[in-house]
Amino acid sequence: DQQVKQNSPSLSVQEGRISILNCDYTNSMFDYFLWYKKYPAEGPTFLISISSIKDKNEDGRFTVFLNKSAKHLSLHIVPSQPGDSAVYFCALGNFNKFYFGSGTKLNVKP
Amino acid sequence: DSGVTQTPKHLITATGQRVTLRCSPRSGDLSVYWYQQSLDQGLQFLIHYYNGEERAKGNILERFSAQQFPDLHSELNLSSLELGDSALYFCASSVEGLVFGELFFGEGSRLTVL
Repeated sequence: DQQVKQNSPSLSVQEGRISILNCDYTNSMFDYFLWYKKYPAEGPTFLISISSIKDKNEDGRFTVFLNKSAKHLSLHIVPSQPGDSAVYFCALGNFNKFYFGSGTKLNVKP
Repeated sequence: DSGVTQTPKHLITATGQRVTLRCSPRSGDLSVYWYQQSLDQGLQFLIHYYNGEERAKGNILERFSAQQFPDLHSELNLSSLELGDSALYFCASSVEGLVFGELFFGEGSRLTVL
């Protein structure tokens, strides 16, 4: 049951450039859309979220875009920093359950 | 430190055995969620409890069960273990049933079934 897909398992970006991570979904009933970041040997940590009534949310270097018609969610990180190197999961859901993508491993090269 | 505590961190057991994973949510959080992450896979939602009551079930096998106790800690019981159950099991908590949407995750319990 792959309701959420992150089609790029990995992404490599030069420090200072933009990182764009993508997420596609199939269920149009999702209300909340989130991004989580995960370092090795740690649990995922919340990064940024957006509700279905908005199409953009910014928090510092991180911006999440939601295109409901295309069922597409993206995370932009600009400028990218080496400390951003981690696995990024998108998570989509409703009140009681959230579905996570398989993750994209971002490597920001100095 | 997310404030969510999971024990044990690592567990090695044999097929057919039963194990219990424990989760203590952040102070004040009423919701507990369990997720399974197999090798190179995403986080698979297993089950959600809110203030002691089951709220939602995901792809949880019948061999697995969970409960949330009056002190709000939760346990995930895995029985008749199979090799494919080897995974990282995460617990997450939130204040309410995802009204805001932010889950706080523990560091996970790594289960290896030999």
